Amino acid sequence: EDQVTQSPEALRLQEGESSSLNCSYTVSGLRGLFWYRQDPGKGPEFLFTLYSAGEEKEKERLKATLTKKESFLHITAPKPEDSATYLCAVQEDQAGTALIFGKGTTLSVSS
Amino acid sequence: DVKVTQSSRYLVKRTGEKVFLECVQDMDHENMFWYRQDPGLGLRLIYFSYDVKMKEKGDIPEGYSVSREKKERFSLILESASTNQTSMYLCASREQGVLGANVLTFGAGSRLTVL
Repeated sequence: EDQVTQSPEALRLQEGESSSLNCSYTVSGLRGLFWYRQDPGKGPEFLFTLYSAGEEKEKERLKATLTKKESFLHITAPKPEDSATYLCAVQEDQAGTALIFGKGTTLSVSS
Repeated sequence: DVKVTQSSRYLVKRTGEKVFLECVQDMDHENMFWYRQDPGLGLRLIYFSYDVKMKEKGDIPEGYSVSREKKERFSLILESASTNQTSMYLCASREQGVLGANVLTFGAGSRLTVL
């Protein structure tokens, strides 16, 4: 059973059409939840870290939120340059543990 | 900014060859990681290292080994490459943190094809 599940696998939007990506997790204790963006052929690039339920972080058209069992990445009025794969990862509440990644959501925004 | 450099972006090797993937970080981070990324499977952890000369197996260590002789360098070794090791390999580093969740910084990736 996957500990981190992202949905949908793929999402196609028109420019300006807002939507949300979901990341649900089942780890017993959460130290932190991370969102990354990955462009084709490149390494993941850090976007946000969320630590506790109720926390929100924003960057340009992106806003990440966290509950006790899931996180959402809201994309407001997306542009074609927002097209990428968005990865969610969690770190369990043990010192030094590695991140557990979801399989990602591939977002395509057309003009 | 932390920079993680993977020496080879693209490699093509033959089955049975020994393959070295090198990764260097420039911010004195204690922790370093090797992941592989495959379509439909996401990122899977191969090995990680908390500090020099220390290593821990990840989820899929079979067929791989690692070396960390210096703090800034973490090498992934395929002793005898096989076609099912064709993949994108990602190196990452992180500052050791006792309390907080510290950010992983990734390299650009090494795409390995084994023929």
